Amino acid sequence: GQNIDQPTEMTATEGAIVQINCTYQTSGFNGLFWYQQHAGEAPTFLSYNVLDGLEEKGRFSSFLSRSKGYSYLLLKELQMKDSASYLCAVMDSNYQLIWGAGTKLIIKP
Amino acid sequence: GAVVSQHPSWVICKSGTSVKIECRSLDFQATTMFWYRQFPKQSLMLMATSNEGSKATYEQGVEKDKFLINHASLTLSTLTVTSAHPEDSSFYICSARDLVAGDSYEQYFGPGTRLTVT
Repeated sequence: GQNIDQPTEMTATEGAIVQINCTYQTSGFNGLFWYQQHAGEAPTFLSYNVLDGLEEKGRFSSFLSRSKGYSYLLLKELQMKDSASYLCAVMDSNYQLIWGAGTKLIIKP
Repeated sequence: GAVVSQHPSWVICKSGTSVKIECRSLDFQATTMFWYRQFPKQSLMLMATSNEGSKATYEQGVEKDKFLINHASLTLSTLTVTSAHPEDSSFYICSARDLVAGDSYEQYFGPGTRLTVT
């Protein structure tokens, strides 16, 4: 079966760095997405990785290792507004998104 | 660019009635639109995938006669919850894939519709 694993909840301090991991087992791979979702709102796109390596976009970076079925989202200089759920999703061979359950990130002052 | 709207943003209806939710891509054409449902503190659950001009493909366990999907044009898809029951109360989110998005196949999400069935 297809499976996406990510931690249920993480806590970090304002101004610090946090890494949210995601491991996956899917039938085929056409890219991995990270989305941010604030409570009661729809997800918003953060990043897309299809090749191995690190993609940096401002305070957020995303890394992918296809051979290991592994990705992480790195958030730097954490701000209170970064408190949200972070969803990892993999596009399988049918171009369907397989979603992880999400990681709830709590930022403390 | 790449804005998706949903209407209504929230709706309360009585048990047994039907509710229609609209999903529109405002500044791009969407070959494919997706309908998701999300219960509190849970991840997104794909309900169905719809392509313009063809029947929707429903995920296992989703009743196609209860959740009617119509993808009438490249910018509009509707989800009708028929004979709604309290257990249908949820957050319904649509997303759309750009016709000419290139290689990313990124999905753009609407703001969601919160349905409460009393």
